[in-house]
Amino acid sequence: NAGVTQTPKFQVLKTGQSMTLQCAQDMNHEYMSWYRQDPGMGLRLIHYSVGAGITDQGEVPNGYNVSRSTTEDFPLRLLSAAPSQTSVYFCASSHSNEQFFGPGTRLTVL
Amino acid sequence: LAKTTQPISMDSYEGQEVNITCSHNNIATNDYITWYQQFPSQGPRFIIQGYKTKVTNEVASLFIPADRKSSTLSLPRVSLSDTAVYYCLVGETGRRALTFGSGTRLQVQP
Repeated sequence: NAGVTQTPKFQVLKTGQSMTLQCAQDMNHEYMSWYRQDPGMGLRLIHYSVGAGITDQGEVPNGYNVSRSTTEDFPLRLLSAAPSQTSVYFCASSHSNEQFFGPGTRLTVL
Repeated sequence: LAKTTQPISMDSYEGQEVNITCSHNNIATNDYITWYQQFPSQGPRFIIQGYKTKVTNEVASLFIPADRKSSTLSLPRVSLSDTAVYYCLVGETGRRALTFGSGTRLQVQP
Protein backbone atom coordinates (compact mmCIF):
# COMPACT_ATOMS: atom_id res chain seq x y z
CA ASN A 1 0.00 0.00 0.00
CA ALA A 2 1.22 3.50 -0.84
CA GLY A 3 -0.88 4.94 2.01
CA VAL A 4 -1.71 8.62 1.58
CA THR A 5 -0.06 10.37 -1.35
CA GLN A 6 -0.02 14.09 -2.09
CA THR A 7 1.02 16.02 -5.17
CA PRO A 8 2.78 18.27 -5.78
CA LYS A 9 5.39 18.33 -3.01
CA PHE A 10 6.19 21.99 -3.65
CA GLN A 11 4.31 24.76 -5.43
CA VAL A 12 4.80 28.48 -5.94
CA LEU A 13 1.82 30.56 -7.03
CA LYS A 14 1.20 34.20 -7.75
CA THR A 15 -1.58 36.03 -5.98
CA GLY A 16 -4.88 35.37 -7.69
CA GLN A 17 -3.91 32.11 -9.34
CA SER A 18 -5.91 28.98 -8.71
CA MET A 19 -4.69 25.42 -8.28
CA THR A 20 -5.65 22.01 -7.01
CA LEU A 21 -3.74 20.03 -4.43
CA GLN A 22 -4.17 16.33 -5.00
CA CYS A 23 -4.64 13.70 -2.30
CA ALA A 24 -5.20 10.00 -2.76
CA GLN A 25 -5.34 7.01 -0.43
CA ASP A 26 -5.40 3.30 -1.21
CA MET A 27 -6.55 2.02 2.18
CA ASN A 28 -10.30 2.25 1.44
CA HIS A 29 -10.77 4.71 4.28
CA GLU A 30 -14.07 6.52 4.53
CA TYR A 31 -12.77 9.60 6.30
CA MET A 32 -10.42 12.11 4.71
CA SER A 33 -9.29 15.53 5.87
CA TRP A 34 -7.24 18.53 4.83
CA TYR A 35 -5.12 20.50 7.29
CA ARG A 36 -2.82 23.46 6.96
CA GLN A 37 0.20 24.08 9.14
CA ASP A 38 1.81 27.48 9.39
CA PRO A 39 5.42 27.79 10.63
CA GLY A 40 5.77 26.89 14.30
CA MET A 41 2.06 26.19 14.65
CA GLY A 42 -0.18 23.21 15.01
CA LEU A 43 -2.43 21.82 12.30
CA ARG A 44 -5.72 23.52 11.52
CA LEU A 45 -8.56 21.66 9.87
CA ILE A 46 -9.72 23.10 6.52
CA HIS A 47 -12.29 20.62 5.21
CA TYR A 48 -13.14 16.99 5.81
CA SER A 49 -15.21 14.23 4.29
CA VAL A 50 -16.97 11.29 5.91
CA GLY A 51 -17.43 9.46 2.64
CA ALA A 52 -17.83 9.83 -1.10
CA GLY A 53 -20.18 12.66 -1.93
CA ILE A 54 -20.11 14.14 1.59
CA THR A 55 -17.92 17.05 2.68
CA ASP A 56 -17.99 19.54 5.52
CA GLN A 57 -16.12 22.61 6.67
CA GLY A 58 -13.47 22.62 9.31
CA GLU A 59 -11.92 25.42 11.28
CA VAL A 60 -10.48 27.50 8.41
CA PRO A 61 -12.47 26.75 5.21
CA ASN A 62 -12.48 30.19 3.57
CA GLY A 63 -10.68 30.32 0.23
CA TYR A 64 -10.76 26.55 -0.26
CA ASN A 65 -13.11 24.11 -1.94
CA VAL A 66 -13.20 20.33 -1.80
CA SER A 67 -15.08 17.52 -3.46
CA ARG A 68 -15.19 13.77 -2.87
CA SER A 69 -16.37 11.94 -5.97
CA THR A 70 -14.55 8.71 -5.07
CA THR A 71 -13.42 7.03 -1.87
CA GLU A 72 -9.79 7.30 -2.95
CA ASP A 73 -9.44 10.96 -3.91
CA PHE A 74 -9.98 14.19 -2.00
CA PRO A 75 -8.62 17.21 -3.92
CA LEU A 76 -8.31 20.65 -2.34
CA ARG A 77 -8.86 23.65 -4.58
CA LEU A 78 -7.52 27.13 -3.97
CA LEU A 79 -9.88 29.46 -5.78
CA SER A 80 -7.77 32.64 -5.83
CA ALA A 81 -4.49 32.25 -4.02
CA ALA A 82 -3.48 34.83 -1.42
CA PRO A 83 -0.18 35.25 0.47
CA SER A 84 -2.02 34.27 3.67
CA GLN A 85 -2.43 30.79 2.19
CA THR A 86 1.31 30.21 2.21
CA SER A 87 1.58 27.10 4.34
CA VAL A 88 2.20 23.39 4.40
CA TYR A 89 -0.89 21.37 3.55
CA PHE A 90 -1.45 17.88 4.90
CA CYS A 91 -4.05 15.39 3.79
CA ALA A 92 -5.12 12.57 6.10
CA SER A 93 -7.36 9.52 5.95
CA SER A 94 -8.75 7.22 8.61
CA HIS A 95 -11.28 4.48 9.23
CA SER A 96 -11.01 4.44 13.00
CA ASN A 97 -9.67 7.06 15.35
CA GLU A 98 -6.15 6.83 13.92
CA GLN A 99 -5.38 9.24 11.12
CA PHE A 100 -2.77 8.52 8.47
CA PHE A 101 -1.09 11.61 7.06
CA GLY A 102 0.45 12.27 3.69
CA PRO A 103 3.90 13.85 3.26
CA GLY A 104 2.50 17.33 2.73
CA THR A 105 2.53 20.01 0.04
CA ARG A 106 4.58 23.13 0.71
CA LEU A 107 2.78 26.06 -0.94
CA THR A 108 4.16 29.56 -1.34
CA VAL A 109 1.97 32.38 -2.63
CA LEU A 110 3.82 35.46 -3.82
CA LEU B 1 -14.59 19.94 20.53
CA ALA B 2 -12.70 19.63 23.79
CA LYS B 3 -9.86 22.13 24.12
CA THR B 4 -6.47 20.80 25.19
CA THR B 5 -3.62 22.51 27.00
CA GLN B 6 -0.08 21.15 27.01
CA PRO B 7 3.36 22.63 27.69
CA ILE B 8 4.90 24.50 24.79
CA SER B 9 8.29 22.83 25.15
CA MET B 10 10.27 20.33 27.21
CA ASP B 11 13.93 19.37 27.37
CA SER B 12 15.36 15.99 28.29
CA TYR B 13 18.49 13.89 28.00
CA GLU B 14 19.00 10.59 26.33
CA GLY B 15 17.97 7.62 28.46
CA GLN B 16 15.54 9.57 30.63
CA GLU B 17 11.83 8.98 30.91
CA VAL B 18 9.73 11.87 29.61
CA ASN B 19 6.20 12.60 30.75
CA ILE B 20 4.07 15.10 28.84
CA THR B 21 0.80 16.07 30.47
CA CYS B 22 -2.22 17.34 28.60
CA SER B 23 -5.17 19.06 30.25
CA HIS B 24 -8.66 18.61 28.77
CA ASN B 25 -11.12 19.79 31.39
CA ASN B 26 -14.23 19.69 29.20
CA ILE B 27 -13.74 16.23 27.77
CA ALA B 28 -17.03 14.60 26.80
CA THR B 29 -18.23 11.10 27.59
CA ASN B 30 -17.63 9.81 24.07
CA ASP B 31 -14.22 11.45 23.63
CA TYR B 32 -11.04 9.47 23.17
CA ILE B 33 -7.55 10.83 23.88
CA THR B 34 -5.02 10.45 21.11
CA TRP B 35 -1.36 11.44 20.86
CA TYR B 36 0.55 12.15 17.66
CA GLN B 37 4.24 12.75 16.97
CA GLN B 38 5.51 15.06 14.25
CA PHE B 39 9.04 15.37 12.92
CA PRO B 40 10.09 18.43 10.89
CA SER B 41 8.83 18.40 7.30
CA GLN B 42 6.66 15.33 7.91
CA GLY B 43 3.02 14.69 8.64
CA PRO B 44 1.97 13.68 12.17
CA ARG B 45 2.21 10.03 13.13
CA PHE B 46 -0.13 8.21 15.51
CA ILE B 47 1.51 7.16 18.80
CA ILE B 48 -1.17 5.95 21.17
CA GLN B 49 -4.83 6.29 22.05
CA GLY B 50 -6.88 5.63 25.15
CA TYR B 51 -10.21 6.19 26.86
CA LYS B 52 -9.43 5.59 30.54
CA THR B 53 -6.83 4.10 32.93
CA LYS B 54 -3.61 3.02 31.26
CA VAL B 55 -2.67 2.01 27.74
CA THR B 56 0.76 0.77 26.72
CA ASN B 57 2.25 -0.11 23.36
CA GLU B 58 5.76 -0.66 22.05
CA VAL B 59 6.42 3.07 21.84
CA ALA B 60 4.75 4.75 24.82
CA SER B 61 2.31 4.58 27.70
CA LEU B 62 -0.75 6.73 28.22
CA PHE B 63 -2.06 7.37 31.71
CA ILE B 64 -5.59 8.69 32.16
CA PRO B 65 -6.99 9.37 35.65
CA ALA B 66 -10.52 8.46 36.61
CA ASP B 67 -11.93 11.96 35.98
CA ARG B 68 -10.32 11.99 32.49
CA LYS B 69 -9.64 15.73 32.73
CA SER B 70 -6.00 15.18 31.94
CA SER B 71 -3.71 12.59 30.44
CA THR B 72 0.01 11.89 30.48
CA LEU B 73 2.07 10.53 27.63
CA SER B 74 5.10 8.66 28.94
CA LEU B 75 8.11 7.99 26.72
CA PRO B 76 10.56 5.55 28.35
CA ARG B 77 14.29 6.05 27.86
CA VAL B 78 14.15 8.69 25.15
CA SER B 79 16.78 8.95 22.44
CA LEU B 80 17.82 11.79 20.14
CA SER B 81 15.38 10.48 17.54
CA ASP B 82 12.47 11.24 19.88
CA THR B 83 13.07 14.96 19.35
CA ALA B 84 9.77 16.04 17.82
CA VAL B 85 6.50 17.86 18.47
CA TYR B 86 3.89 15.87 20.38
CA TYR B 87 0.20 16.64 20.03
CA CYS B 88 -2.59 15.69 22.40
CA LEU B 89 -6.01 15.44 20.76
CA VAL B 90 -9.42 14.82 22.23
CA GLY B 91 -12.31 13.83 20.02
CA GLU B 92 -15.58 12.00 19.87
CA THR B 93 -15.56 8.45 18.64
CA GLY B 94 -16.50 8.64 14.98
CA ARG B 95 -15.22 12.17 14.41
CA ARG B 96 -12.08 11.30 12.54
CA ALA B 97 -11.05 14.88 11.81
CA LEU B 98 -9.66 16.04 15.13
CA THR B 99 -8.46 19.45 16.22
CA PHE B 100 -4.72 19.84 16.76
CA GLY B 101 -3.38 22.35 19.27
CA SER B 102 0.11 23.80 19.17
CA GLY B 103 1.71 20.69 20.66
CA THR B 104 4.73 20.20 22.91
CA ARG B 105 8.15 20.54 21.37
CA LEU B 106 10.42 17.93 22.97
CA GLN B 107 14.16 18.41 22.63
CA VAL B 108 16.34 15.45 23.61
CA GLN B 109 20.00 16.19 24.19
CA PRO B 110 22.93 13.78 24.38
